[in-house]
Amino acid sequence: KNEVEQSPQNLTAQEGEFITINCSYSVGISALHWLQQHPGGGIVSLFMLSSGKKKHGRLIATINIQEKHSSLHITASHPRDSAVYICAARDFGNEKLTFGTGTRLTIIP
Amino acid sequence: NAGVTQTPKFQVLKTGQSMTLQCAQDMNHEYMSWYRQDPGMGLRLIHYSVGAGITDQGEVPNGYNVSRSTTEDFPLRLLSAAPSQTSVYFCASSGRRRTNTGELFFGEGSRLTVL
Repeated sequence: KNEVEQSPQNLTAQEGEFITINCSYSVGISALHWLQQHPGGGIVSLFMLSSGKKKHGRLIATINIQEKHSSLHITASHPRDSAVYICAARDFGNEKLTFGTGTRLTIIP
Repeated sequence: NAGVTQTPKFQVLKTGQSMTLQCAQDMNHEYMSWYRQDPGMGLRLIHYSVGAGITDQGEVPNGYNVSRSTTEDFPLRLLSAAPSQTSVYFCASSGRRRTNTGELFFGEGSRLTVL
């Protein structure tokens, strides 16, 4: 069973700061997902990574397969980025997902 | 495209009652899954399916049944509701990772309270 850990659990930052959220997993995976959940509950997919780096607007996701580690970065953070960010590791073969417990991000204006 | 449609959004049950949470997707996705989300815990997999006619258990399957008679629909049945099943439930779908269509799409969630 894959163990997925995220850090930090909670993060409060000032508007404009550079944000980093970390995700580590214990067993090799086929892909790593980053998700965003706003208060009120909807879950939105941000990235799916198998290797390297992806960028979408102010969001950047990286993965290091050898170290079993992924990071989500937010540049020029904004209060609308306040949400819970969740990583999920996708198993080889059966496509099953194991989720981290999430990082609650609060951006203060 | 409607994406993933999940109903109902809210439901209150009494202990012992049964109900079905509906999930439908219109993206021809092979992979569908059900999760529950509880405070302080990550999303936990209940059941999943990699195609019509194929289902398998996840991490917390007890008390739940699923079926996948069509590609589009993946209902979750609570057989005899218990207070421990009070939770928020999410349905998700995706294409297969190896075809690079593995992005996840979630339903809006169903908040279930069992009294």
